[in-house]
Amino acid sequence: KAGVTQTPRYLIKTRGQQVTLSCSPISGHRSVSWYQQTPGQGLQFLFEYFSETQRNKGNFPGRFSGRQFSNSRSEMNVSTLELGDSALYLCASSRTSGQMNTEAFFGQGTRLTVV
Amino acid sequence: EDKVVQSPLSLVVHEGDTVTLNCSYEVTNFRSLLWYKQEKKAPTFLFMLTSSGIEKKSGRLSSILDKKELSSILNITATQTGDSAIYLCAVEARYGGATNKLIFGTGTLLAVQP
Repeated sequence: KAGVTQTPRYLIKTRGQQVTLSCSPISGHRSVSWYQQTPGQGLQFLFEYFSETQRNKGNFPGRFSGRQFSNSRSEMNVSTLELGDSALYLCASSRTSGQMNTEAFFGQGTRLTVV
Repeated sequence: EDKVVQSPLSLVVHEGDTVTLNCSYEVTNFRSLLWYKQEKKAPTFLFMLTSSGIEKKSGRLSSILDKKELSSILNITATQTGDSAIYLCAVEARYGGATNKLIFGTGTLLAVQP
């Protein structure tokens, strides 16, 4: 079956712009989590969506937001981009949220560069 | 604050060597510990360890969870150049209600030289 699909793969934006990233989870998976990965900070949790509801949120400013649609696809949006937002953004899907331990499957990520 | 610490940060070995990667954690409401391998972009799942499954093995890779010491190790025997990657440790913790969150360490960069 198809894996987690993230689009676009690469993105270059200028400071002050906004960006929307997309993640399509594995079929049947209802939980989508977003992570930011930078060389210095490693993988940091942004938020998790399950059944169109945000279930959990990491310590990121309000410029970072997301949503999930009825087909479980998720988008994340970053407004007023800053240079420090340059990172690899990974999304992970899993079958459930909080009900049982399941492994998360990651997409290839979107490499965002802010200039 | 919940945290996951991995060591060493990086490691260079030769093919055939055995390596041990470490992960320690401080989290409330621990649920499970997971190991991932990240070669280019997408981390790929290796193991999940829980209170009911503290030791896992797959081929040359094995992992043990020590709940008393709040740590885990990932062993790779007879290393190959294809094992070169970043190895990520993540702890799944339960938060309010029925929500879980994965907290990642910064990873160990393993380079296996021929």
